[in-house]
Amino acid sequence: KNQVEQSPQSLIILEGKNCTLQCNYTVSPFSNLRWYKQDTGRGPVSLTIMTFSENTKSNGRYTATLDADTKQSSLHITASQLSDSASYICVVISGGSYIPTFGRGTSLIVHP
Amino acid sequence: DTAVSQTPKYLVTQMGNDKSIKCEQNLGHDTMYWYKQDSKKFLKIMFSYNNKELIINETVPNRFSPKSPDKAHLNLHINSLELGDSAVYFCASIGQRSSGGAGDTQYFGPGTRLTVL
Repeated sequence: KNQVEQSPQSLIILEGKNCTLQCNYTVSPFSNLRWYKQDTGRGPVSLTIMTFSENTKSNGRYTATLDADTKQSSLHITASQLSDSASYICVVISGGSYIPTFGRGTSLIVHP
Repeated sequence: DTAVSQTPKYLVTQMGNDKSIKCEQNLGHDTMYWYKQDSKKFLKIMFSYNNKELIINETVPNRFSPKSPDKAHLNLHINSLELGDSAVYFCASIGQRSSGGAGDTQYFGPGTRLTVL
């Protein structure tokens, strides 16, 4: 069964600090992995998309990594800002059927 | 300009009623989706349409019927609403038929919060 597990479930950090969110998956076959940011009361917004051959991809202060061998991904946020407070969702797309499997998200709170 | 829009934003109704949620995208995308997000914020795909053709139907009860009058619209009609249907429903779209290709960014609508009493 395809699954995406994210950790931690929630995280509280101080403004300006860095943090790393984890995503482990068992989806097969693999097409690509996506990280989304979802603000409260809004739809998810795409941060990064990574294929099998990509190890790292950055989008501003967000850097995603992918290890396709161990089926792990991480999202690193640098110099956090109050506006980074949101839920971060890892999604893995199956090859062929292109059906997405969602993680339950990590809720990040950035305090001043 | 709103890329993916949904109406209504909030919908409160009684059990047993029939209701519809509308979705429109102005991105010129070929593929549209409906997702359900439960109270624990877990997102799950319900349907996917490409150029008005159903391509994904993830074991959703047949009380849910998507309708795509054209490729810019994908509406969701729900019959005989049940308490368990209470959730936030998101519409989304993506540019290419594959819907999962690495070059395809998916855009989500703002969501419709459905509450069944």
